[in-house]
Amino acid sequence: QQQVKQSPQSLIVQKGGISIINCAYENTAFDYFPWYQQFPGKGPALLIAIRPDVSEKKEGRFTISFNKSAKQFSLHIMDSQPGDSATYFCAASREGGSEKLVFGKGTKLTVNP
Amino acid sequence: GAVVSQHPSWVICKSGTSVKIECRSLDFQATTMFWYRQFPKQSLMLMATSNEGSKATYEQGVEKDKFLINHASLTLSTLTVTSAHPEDSSFYICSASLDRAHNSNQPQHFGDGTRLSIL
Repeated sequence: QQQVKQSPQSLIVQKGGISIINCAYENTAFDYFPWYQQFPGKGPALLIAIRPDVSEKKEGRFTISFNKSAKQFSLHIMDSQPGDSATYFCAASREGGSEKLVFGKGTKLTVNP
Repeated sequence: GAVVSQHPSWVICKSGTSVKIECRSLDFQATTMFWYRQFPKQSLMLMATSNEGSKATYEQGVEKDKFLINHASLTLSTLTVTSAHPEDSSFYICSASLDRAHNSNQPQHFGDGTRLSIL
């Protein structure tokens, strides 16, 4: 069974703090690991993605760390803002994202002012 | 770029009726589109993979006669929920990626979803 395990289920941080969400996968055939941000009533929006040939990718305040040997990857949100409050999903797929995505169960992030 | 549009965004209908949801890639061609279902406070569950010009591939446990998928062009896929019942009420979301035949390793872009409520 292809699975992506995500933790924590919910996360509360103060404005300016660092939010960290972790994911682990089982299928070594996965070669594409995106993070999606979803606001209530909206579809998921691609936030940042990484491929296994790099260990870290940074885009603005968002960083993905990738550990291929441990089959784990994480999302770090630096200087968290109230506007970052949303549900975050990690996912994994083969063939660079063109194949079907396997999603984690999601993390509800709340950033307090 | 890479905008995916879904229509309608919200639909309420009586039990027993059929409902059609459209998914369009506005500024790119998509040979493959995906249909997901999401219950409140849960993750996205893949229902089927829609391939242009061929039959859709359904995930285990998804009734193909209940959820009809048509992908007649490179920019449009439709999901029809036939004889809808209250348990079909959910948030349906589609995604699309650029034409894989000419652009490998392309991410999926999601529509804003359709909230279906069956009375």
